Amino acid sequence: TAGITQAPTSQILAAGRSMTLRCTQDMRHNAMYWYRQDLGLGLRLIHYSNTAGTTGKGEVPDGYSVSRANTDDFPLTLASAVPSQTSVYFCASSEGTSGGHNEQFFGPGTRLTVL
Amino acid sequence: GQNIDQPTEMTATEGAIVQINCTYQTSGFNGLFWYQQHAGEAPTFLSYNVLDGLEEKGRFSSFLSRSKGYSYLLLKELQMKDSASYLCAGMDSNYQLIWGAGTKLIIKP
Repeated sequence: TAGITQAPTSQILAAGRSMTLRCTQDMRHNAMYWYRQDLGLGLRLIHYSNTAGTTGKGEVPDGYSVSRANTDDFPLTLASAVPSQTSVYFCASSEGTSGGHNEQFFGPGTRLTVL
Repeated sequence: GQNIDQPTEMTATEGAIVQINCTYQTSGFNGLFWYQQHAGEAPTFLSYNVLDGLEEKGRFSSFLSRSKGYSYLLLKELQMKDSASYLCAGMDSNYQLIWGAGTKLIIKP
């Protein structure tokens, strides 16, 4: 089983350009998440989706948008990239959001550099 | 506000024991997670505590005290492959994880 895949692995992007980071899971998990990880800071939640068809804003949503058309896919779009969006982006998924041991599984990450 | 505090870096010797502490403040509480993250890789799940006490899993154990807002991860019989960052995360009332910045553990021979 692949678990969670992300694409691309890394990307260099010119400021002002748009880009979509792809995330696909094959575990039939209800919930999916996008985080960014910057040196010296904890993982910060950008957007999340508790179930297909719904999305919500996390701690740092500005400049990013997401969609959840089906259970498996959760793309993250940067409409007009800025250098402060240089980061490592992780997609994660979990079975659900209510109750119990809601372990999150992480994809391998996308390293994005905005110049 | 919500906050997770853990030391930035720790050093230990191969074969020894190390304890990584974490204090948390979350809006509501639905459990405390520990993840391991090797450099350049994704975080991977280590442990989950929702009740007070110690959870043991092989060489790794995790402790929780809800009244003190405190947890620790105990690693025994350290191996060189345990060199990694250890991330503490509290789950709030909305079932969202609030993450600490991570503790970089350096293992010396």
